[in-house]
Amino acid sequence: AQSVAQPEDQVNVAEGNPLTVKCTYSVSGNPYLFWYVQYPNRGLQFLLKYITGDNLVKGSYGFEAEFNKSQTSFHLKKPSALVSDSALYFCAVRDPNSGYSTLTFGKGTMLLVSP
Amino acid sequence: DSGVTQTPKHLITATGQRVTLRCSPRSGDLSVYWYQQSLDQGLQFLIQYYNGEERAKGNILERFSAQQFPDLHSELNLSSLELGDSALYFCASSVGGQGETQYFGPGTRLLVL
Repeated sequence: AQSVAQPEDQVNVAEGNPLTVKCTYSVSGNPYLFWYVQYPNRGLQFLLKYITGDNLVKGSYGFEAEFNKSQTSFHLKKPSALVSDSALYFCAVRDPNSGYSTLTFGKGTMLLVSP
Repeated sequence: DSGVTQTPKHLITATGQRVTLRCSPRSGDLSVYWYQQSLDQGLQFLIQYYNGEERAKGNILERFSAQQFPDLHSELNLSSLELGDSALYFCASSVGGQGETQYFGPGTRLLVL
Protein backbone atom coordinates (compact mmCIF):
# COMPACT_ATOMS: atom_id res chain seq x y z
CA ALA A 1 0.00 0.00 0.00
CA GLN A 2 1.14 3.52 -0.71
CA SER A 3 0.98 6.36 1.78
CA VAL A 4 2.22 9.89 2.22
CA ALA A 5 2.70 12.02 5.32
CA GLN A 6 2.86 15.75 5.71
CA PRO A 7 4.02 16.20 9.28
CA GLU A 8 3.15 19.88 9.59
CA ASP A 9 -0.42 21.14 9.59
CA GLN A 10 0.83 24.69 9.13
CA VAL A 11 4.03 26.43 8.13
CA ASN A 12 4.58 30.11 8.83
CA VAL A 13 7.23 32.10 7.01
CA ALA A 14 7.96 35.77 6.43
CA GLU A 15 7.88 37.17 2.93
CA GLY A 16 11.27 37.01 1.30
CA ASN A 17 12.46 34.11 3.43
CA PRO A 18 12.99 30.59 2.08
CA LEU A 19 10.21 28.11 2.68
CA THR A 20 10.07 24.33 3.02
CA VAL A 21 6.97 22.16 3.16
CA LYS A 22 7.77 18.61 4.18
CA CYS A 23 6.55 15.34 2.69
CA THR A 24 7.52 11.73 3.29
CA TYR A 25 6.16 8.72 1.47
CA SER A 26 5.90 4.98 1.58
CA VAL A 27 5.62 2.76 -1.49
CA SER A 28 6.86 -0.68 -2.36
CA GLY A 29 8.89 0.41 -5.37
CA ASN A 30 10.11 3.60 -6.95
CA PRO A 31 7.52 6.32 -6.46
CA TYR A 32 5.91 8.90 -8.65
CA LEU A 33 5.60 12.04 -6.50
CA PHE A 34 3.53 15.16 -6.98
CA TRP A 35 2.89 18.52 -5.34
CA TYR A 36 -0.37 20.40 -5.73
CA VAL A 37 -1.54 23.74 -4.33
CA GLN A 38 -5.10 24.70 -3.42
CA TYR A 39 -6.18 28.30 -3.06
CA PRO A 40 -9.39 29.09 -1.15
CA ASN A 41 -12.53 27.93 -2.95
CA ARG A 42 -10.49 26.60 -5.86
CA GLY A 43 -9.49 23.21 -7.18
CA LEU A 44 -6.02 21.74 -6.86
CA GLN A 45 -3.37 23.14 -9.17
CA PHE A 46 -0.43 21.02 -10.28
CA LEU A 47 2.97 22.40 -9.22
CA LEU A 48 5.54 19.75 -10.08
CA LYS A 49 6.26 16.03 -10.20
CA TYR A 50 9.09 13.56 -9.91
CA ILE A 51 9.03 10.47 -12.09
CA THR A 52 12.67 9.68 -12.69
CA GLY A 53 15.97 11.41 -13.35
CA ASP A 54 17.35 14.46 -11.59
CA ASN A 55 16.45 14.49 -7.91
CA LEU A 56 15.82 18.24 -7.99
CA VAL A 57 12.61 19.04 -9.79
CA LYS A 58 11.61 22.56 -10.78
CA GLY A 59 7.99 23.54 -11.12
CA SER A 60 5.56 26.41 -11.43
CA TYR A 61 5.77 29.76 -9.61
CA GLY A 62 9.42 29.27 -8.60
CA PHE A 63 8.81 26.13 -6.55
CA GLU A 64 11.12 23.16 -6.55
CA ALA A 65 11.26 19.85 -4.74
CA GLU A 66 14.04 17.44 -3.92
CA PHE A 67 13.55 13.70 -4.09
CA ASN A 68 15.57 11.86 -1.44
CA LYS A 69 15.26 8.13 -1.79
CA SER A 70 17.20 7.22 1.36
CA GLN A 71 15.00 9.45 3.50
CA THR A 72 11.85 8.71 1.45
CA SER A 73 11.16 12.41 1.29
CA PHE A 74 10.02 14.90 -1.31
CA HIS A 75 10.12 18.32 0.35
CA LEU A 76 8.77 21.37 -1.46
CA LYS A 77 10.95 24.46 -1.42
CA LYS A 78 11.09 28.03 -2.62
CA PRO A 79 14.05 30.39 -2.14
CA SER A 80 11.97 33.50 -1.46
CA ALA A 81 8.35 33.30 -0.29
CA LEU A 82 5.60 35.62 -1.46
CA VAL A 83 2.43 36.55 0.40
CA SER A 84 0.54 35.18 -2.60
CA ASP A 85 2.07 31.74 -1.93
CA SER A 86 -0.22 31.44 1.08
CA ALA A 87 -2.37 28.39 0.35
CA LEU A 88 -2.91 24.72 1.15
CA TYR A 89 -0.25 22.41 -0.26
CA PHE A 90 -0.71 18.72 -0.94
CA CYS A 91 1.89 16.06 -1.56
CA ALA A 92 0.76 12.95 -3.43
CA VAL A 93 2.32 9.61 -4.30
CA ARG A 94 1.62 6.91 -6.81
CA ASP A 95 3.12 3.46 -6.85
CA PRO A 96 3.78 2.68 -10.53
CA ASN A 97 3.72 -1.01 -9.68
CA SER A 98 0.04 -0.69 -8.85
CA GLY A 99 -0.80 -0.73 -12.54
CA TYR A 100 -3.30 2.10 -12.20
CA SER A 101 -3.00 5.85 -11.93
CA THR A 102 -4.49 6.43 -8.50
CA LEU A 103 -2.85 9.01 -6.30
CA THR A 104 -2.73 8.98 -2.53
CA PHE A 105 -2.68 12.48 -1.03
CA GLY A 106 -1.32 13.74 2.23
CA LYS A 107 -3.55 15.70 4.58
CA GLY A 108 -2.17 18.98 3.36
CA THR A 109 -0.04 21.73 4.86
CA MET A 110 -1.30 25.27 5.19
CA LEU A 111 1.40 27.74 4.24
CA LEU A 112 1.02 31.24 5.65
CA VAL A 113 3.39 33.91 4.39
CA SER A 114 3.35 37.11 6.39
CA PRO A 115 4.24 40.50 4.88
CA ASP B 1 -7.91 27.22 -15.62
CA SER B 2 -7.16 23.48 -15.82
CA GLY B 3 -9.61 22.76 -18.64
CA VAL B 4 -11.67 20.43 -16.43
CA THR B 5 -15.20 21.65 -15.86
CA GLN B 6 -17.61 20.63 -13.13
CA THR B 7 -21.27 21.43 -12.61
CA PRO B 8 -22.93 22.55 -10.49
CA LYS B 9 -20.61 24.71 -8.39
CA HIS B 10 -22.82 24.48 -5.35
CA LEU B 11 -25.57 22.09 -4.36
CA ILE B 12 -27.81 22.21 -1.31
CA THR B 13 -30.10 19.30 -0.66
CA ALA B 14 -31.77 17.35 2.13
CA THR B 15 -30.95 14.06 3.77
CA GLY B 16 -32.25 11.06 1.87
CA GLN B 17 -32.12 12.78 -1.47
CA ARG B 18 -30.14 11.90 -4.59
CA VAL B 19 -27.90 14.21 -6.60
CA THR B 20 -25.78 13.99 -9.74
CA LEU B 21 -22.48 15.76 -10.20
CA ARG B 22 -21.10 16.26 -13.67
CA CYS B 23 -17.54 16.49 -14.97
CA SER B 24 -16.08 17.20 -18.39
CA PRO B 25 -12.40 16.28 -18.73
CA ARG B 26 -9.74 18.20 -20.58
CA SER B 27 -9.78 17.74 -24.30
CA GLY B 28 -7.92 14.55 -25.16
CA ASP B 29 -7.91 13.11 -21.64
CA LEU B 30 -9.30 9.61 -21.36
CA SER B 31 -9.15 9.13 -17.60
CA VAL B 32 -11.50 10.73 -15.09
CA TYR B 33 -11.09 10.56 -11.33
CA TRP B 34 -13.46 11.53 -8.54
CA TYR B 35 -12.30 12.74 -5.13
CA GLN B 36 -14.06 13.81 -1.97
CA GLN B 37 -12.54 16.50 0.22
CA SER B 38 -13.77 17.00 3.76
CA LEU B 39 -12.25 18.59 6.83
CA ASP B 40 -12.00 15.36 8.79
CA GLN B 41 -11.06 12.92 5.99
CA GLY B 42 -8.91 15.12 3.80
CA LEU B 43 -8.75 14.34 0.08
CA GLN B 44 -10.05 10.84 -0.59
CA PHE B 45 -9.95 9.06 -3.92
CA LEU B 46 -13.32 7.63 -4.86
CA ILE B 47 -13.18 6.08 -8.32
CA GLN B 48 -11.44 6.23 -11.69
CA TYR B 49 -12.74 5.64 -15.19
CA TYR B 50 -10.66 5.19 -18.29
CA ASN B 51 -12.28 5.48 -21.70
CA GLY B 52 -15.66 4.44 -20.36
CA GLU B 53 -14.50 1.57 -18.18
CA GLU B 54 -14.07 1.52 -14.43
CA ARG B 55 -10.33 1.34 -13.74
CA ALA B 56 -9.87 1.69 -9.98
CA LYS B 57 -11.99 2.03 -6.89
CA GLY B 58 -11.10 3.79 -3.67
CA ASN B 59 -13.12 4.70 -0.63
CA ILE B 60 -16.43 4.95 -2.44
CA LEU B 61 -19.59 4.16 -0.54
CA GLU B 62 -22.16 1.74 -1.97
CA ARG B 63 -24.65 4.65 -2.04
CA PHE B 64 -22.36 6.37 -4.55
CA SER B 65 -21.91 5.38 -8.16
CA ALA B 66 -20.28 6.84 -11.23
CA GLN B 67 -20.07 6.36 -14.95
CA GLN B 68 -18.19 7.71 -17.91
CA PHE B 69 -20.06 8.27 -21.13
CA PRO B 70 -18.91 7.79 -24.75
CA ASP B 71 -18.12 11.51 -25.03
CA LEU B 72 -15.87 10.97 -21.95
CA HIS B 73 -17.77 13.17 -19.57
CA SER B 74 -18.49 11.59 -16.23
CA GLU B 75 -21.23 11.71 -13.64
CA LEU B 76 -21.05 10.92 -9.95
CA ASN B 77 -24.36 9.89 -8.41
CA LEU B 78 -24.85 10.23 -4.68
CA SER B 79 -27.99 8.71 -3.19
CA SER B 80 -29.64 8.38 0.23
CA LEU B 81 -27.62 11.39 1.24
CA GLU B 82 -26.50 11.84 4.83
CA LEU B 83 -25.24 14.88 6.67
CA GLY B 84 -21.75 13.43 6.55
CA ASP B 85 -21.75 13.47 2.77
CA SER B 86 -21.40 17.25 2.86
CA ALA B 87 -18.04 17.92 1.22
CA LEU B 88 -16.23 19.24 -1.80
CA TYR B 89 -16.27 16.79 -4.69
CA PHE B 90 -13.50 17.13 -7.23
CA CYS B 91 -13.11 15.64 -10.62
CA ALA B 92 -9.69 15.29 -12.22
CA SER B 93 -8.60 14.08 -15.62
CA SER B 94 -5.44 12.79 -17.22
CA VAL B 95 -4.34 11.42 -20.55
CA GLY B 96 -4.25 7.94 -19.10
CA GLY B 97 -0.66 6.83 -19.35
CA GLN B 98 1.96 6.01 -16.73
CA GLY B 99 3.09 8.82 -14.45
CA GLU B 100 0.72 11.29 -15.98
CA THR B 101 -0.40 14.41 -14.17
CA GLN B 102 -3.98 14.70 -12.99
CA TYR B 103 -5.63 18.06 -13.61
CA PHE B 104 -8.39 19.06 -11.24
CA GLY B 105 -11.66 20.82 -11.82
CA PRO B 106 -12.95 23.61 -9.55
CA GLY B 107 -15.12 21.23 -7.56
CA THR B 108 -18.75 20.95 -6.50
CA ARG B 109 -19.57 21.96 -2.95
CA LEU B 110 -22.34 19.74 -1.60
CA LEU B 111 -24.26 20.69 1.51
CA VAL B 112 -26.70 18.16 2.92
CA LEU B 113 -29.16 19.63 5.41
